[in-house]
Amino acid sequence: LAKTTQPISMDSYEGQEVNITCSHNNIATNDYITWYQQFPSQGPRFIIQGYKTKVTNEVASLFIPADRKSSTLSLPRVSLSDTAVYYCLVGDGNNDMRFGAGTRLTVKP
Amino acid sequence: DTEVTQTPKHLVMGMTNKKSLKCEQHMGHRAMYWYKQKAKKPPELMFVYSYEKLSINESVPSRFSPECPNSSLLNLHLHALQPEDSALYLCASSQDNLGAQETQYFGPGTRLLVL
Repeated sequence: LAKTTQPISMDSYEGQEVNITCSHNNIATNDYITWYQQFPSQGPRFIIQGYKTKVTNEVASLFIPADRKSSTLSLPRVSLSDTAVYYCLVGDGNNDMRFGAGTRLTVKP
Repeated sequence: DTEVTQTPKHLVMGMTNKKSLKCEQHMGHRAMYWYKQKAKKPPELMFVYSYEKLSINESVPSRFSPECPNSSLLNLHLHALQPEDSALYLCASSQDNLGAQETQYFGPGTRLLVL
């Protein structure tokens, strides 16, 4: 089972780009990398998912190097409303759904 | 409609009570999940239902009893809980049961307090 490591917390300012890295040294060939965002007293919300190289959607980008032992979630031009906990999830199709410990992002004005 | 609803929002119960948590989705998803989340911790998977059949039980104590009456509904029956079971209980659904490859849609959760 892949285990993930994320920074416990990060601070940023409005308008900056934020990069959160997740380490997953034991990632398996079939594993996907997924990021979720969670606000207090709400359920997690899907942000982005990838397998290799780079994935971009309307809210974030996900960078995955060739060895796939880590991945980086990139949030462009964050705002105060991006203050949340961000979880990295690594797993395959066998219900291996273990969330990482999460990174608490605080965006300051 | 990409919403998963959960009732009640809050629940306080004694250790001898029997209560149920309810979850509903109308996205046609065939997999539904129960998670438990303690404060400042990540969600922990409890149960997975796939096509209305229990496919995963992550060694959850029998005082938690899941039920899937149909493809849109998921219940979690609670009986003889302990104070350490106090947590946020999250329901989620996904199109199919392909584990971490699937995008999961989460409900807002039920905050449970056991006295």
